Amino acid sequence: AQSVTQLDSQVPVFEEAPVELRCNYSSSVSVYLFWYVQYPNQGLQLLLKYLSGSTLVKGINGFEAEFNKSQTSFHLRKPSVHISDTAEYFCAVSFYGGSQGNLIFGKGTKLSVKP
Amino acid sequence: GAVVSQHPSRVICKSGTSVKIECRSLDFQATTMFWYRQFPKKSLMLMATSNEGSKATYEQGVEKDKFLINHASLTLSTLTVTSAHPEDSSFYICSARTGTGAEEQYFGPGTRLTVT
Repeated sequence: AQSVTQLDSQVPVFEEAPVELRCNYSSSVSVYLFWYVQYPNQGLQLLLKYLSGSTLVKGINGFEAEFNKSQTSFHLRKPSVHISDTAEYFCAVSFYGGSQGNLIFGKGTKLSVKP
Repeated sequence: GAVVSQHPSRVICKSGTSVKIECRSLDFQATTMFWYRQFPKKSLMLMATSNEGSKATYEQGVEKDKFLINHASLTLSTLTVTSAHPEDSSFYICSARTGTGAEEQYFGPGTRLTVT
């Protein structure tokens, strides 16, 4: 069965510090990978996605992620965070040939940026 | 581009009544729309997948008679929570795909349902 694991439920970090939010997946088939951000009482906004090609993907708001097939990981990074980055971050996968491209989400990581 | 709206953003209803939530793709045609439910401090749980003009496909454990989904056009899907109870209180989010082969889903802003 396919699954997505976000190892950290909460990540506190000081402003201007670097951050990495971890995501691992389990699948026997090839995948598409996504990171979404959710601000309080709002829907999800796509940060970045990996469909194919370069394994280093750059997204909005200065975030980037690297697809590592051997480690089945897609960790999200930002070299210097801002207070406004405080939000919930979700890693998601969909599977080649999966039924209508259904997304499977991780449980989320709450990023708290402190001054 | 690729904007999805939901209406209403918040709704409070009494137990036993029904509530309809609309999901619209504003600038593209959505052949497939998804409905998710998000519990407090939890991830999104896929409830059902709807294709325009056909019956929705419900995930295991989701009562199709309680959560009625209609996808009458390429830009509109509705979720009706029938005979709502307090345990149905949740954040409901829809998403839409363009059907062009890309795997990206565009999400609506969500609807907060509170059943009293």
